[in-house]
Amino acid sequence: NAGVTQTPKFRILKIGQSMTLQCTQDMNHNYMYWYRQDPGMGLKLIYYSVGAGITDKGEVPNGYNVSRSTTEDFPLRLELAAPSQTSVYFCASSLQRGTSVSRTDTQYFGPGTRLTVL
Amino acid sequence: RKEVEQDPGPFNVPEGATVAFNCTYSNSASQSFFWYRQDCRKEPKLLMSVYSSGNEDGRFTAQLNRASQYISLLIRDSKLSDSATYLCVVNMNSGYSTLTFGKGTMLLVSP
Repeated sequence: NAGVTQTPKFRILKIGQSMTLQCTQDMNHNYMYWYRQDPGMGLKLIYYSVGAGITDKGEVPNGYNVSRSTTEDFPLRLELAAPSQTSVYFCASSLQRGTSVSRTDTQYFGPGTRLTVL
Repeated sequence: RKEVEQDPGPFNVPEGATVAFNCTYSNSASQSFFWYRQDCRKEPKLLMSVYSSGNEDGRFTAQLNRASQYISLLIRDSKLSDSATYLCVVNMNSGYSTLTFGKGTMLLVSP
């Protein structure tokens, strides 16, 4: 199993450009997440999905969009990139059996995408 | 009060030392607690879940104090490979399906 894969690894965008960060997991996990991590800061949840066709906002959703058409894929779309979106983006997935996180619900992270907006 | 608060460190310790990190959380209704490890420029990985009665995994011991709303991680016999940032992670509300991450505590183990 490859686990959680993310592409691209690095990207530089100009202000106003758009792009899609790809995330795929092959563990048949129902939950998927997008986080951003700024230097010296904790991970902030952008969006998450509890299954195909269902997404919900996290703590910092502004400027981003997501979709979940399949169990495996959870792309993150940036429209009109801004310097404030310069960050490391992590996708994660988990197999969550209940409606709330239990102590057995491990989140598996992808290697991250380093995005710079100039 | 910040939701999940950790001392950022760095904690500088020699090999073989014992080191402890604490983490406080703001919501008394939180039910699930974890320690994740993040190496420099890498993704976070689960180190261990934290059980109410405390739990141990090799050199690592996690404790939960619900009354004071803090979690601890004890590392015994530190190795160079333990150098990393340790993230305290909490499910902030019962019935809530996402996690809140602390900013992390950096540990540097030197020869």
